[in-house]
Amino acid sequence: EVQLVESGGGLVQPGGSLRLSCATSGFTFRSYWMHWVRQVPGKGLVWVSRINSDGSATSYADSVKGRFTISRDNAKNTLYLQMSSLRAEDTAVYYCARPSMSYSEAGGFDHWGRGSLVTVSS
Amino acid sequence: QSALTQPPSVSGSPGQSVTISCTGTSSDIGNYNRVSWYQQTPGTAPKLMIYEVSNRPSGVPDRFSGSKSDNTASLTISGLQAEDEADYYCSSYTSRNTWVFGGGTKLTVL
Repeated sequence: EVQLVESGGGLVQPGGSLRLSCATSGFTFRSYWMHWVRQVPGKGLVWVSRINSDGSATSYADSVKGRFTISRDNAKNTLYLQMSSLRAEDTAVYYCARPSMSYSEAGGFDHWGRGSLVTVSS
Repeated sequence: QSALTQPPSVSGSPGQSVTISCTGTSSDIGNYNRVSWYQQTPGTAPKLMIYEVSNRPSGVPDRFSGSKSDNTASLTISGLQAEDEADYYCSSYTSRNTWVFGGGTKLTVL
């Protein structure tokens, strides 16, 4: 069974940093591109970032570019999101998501974690 | 990176059909077939309902169908059931090697 489990969320002050992790199991992690998507409670989904299967290519939403860094450890089957210079508007539930097709971004995101809540507030 | 445009809400009676539109630009929906639709109920993670414009993952009822014309994608739910009441989001790949979601549509089954 495919499992994605986010951790590392919590309360952080504006300007602070936080690192989210997404521990995966049940599939060959190194074969899949991975994504982060966030959602303010009660609001819509917003795509944040993605990384290719070997970690050599990344992309970011304009709203987080230069502040967030996506990375992965294929030996540990874990995806990360390092967040710095956090703002109140970064407050959201952060989901990691996996595309349905390996070595590709095709096929939609067929597996999601349960999310990790990040609250940026003084 | 503006969000794709969806109607905030749609509604229908059981057995009826409803269509949710998702409008983008030539930089996303209009130029790529990587359009997906997701269903989300309160307190749960999104569920993939349609991928690559019109393909259904296994387990998704064939009452759900997708299409695309120019810069607009559509999700049609036929034979509406009470269990279909949820929020629906479209998503598309973009020319900037990023992804974008729609603002979401709340489906109410009357």
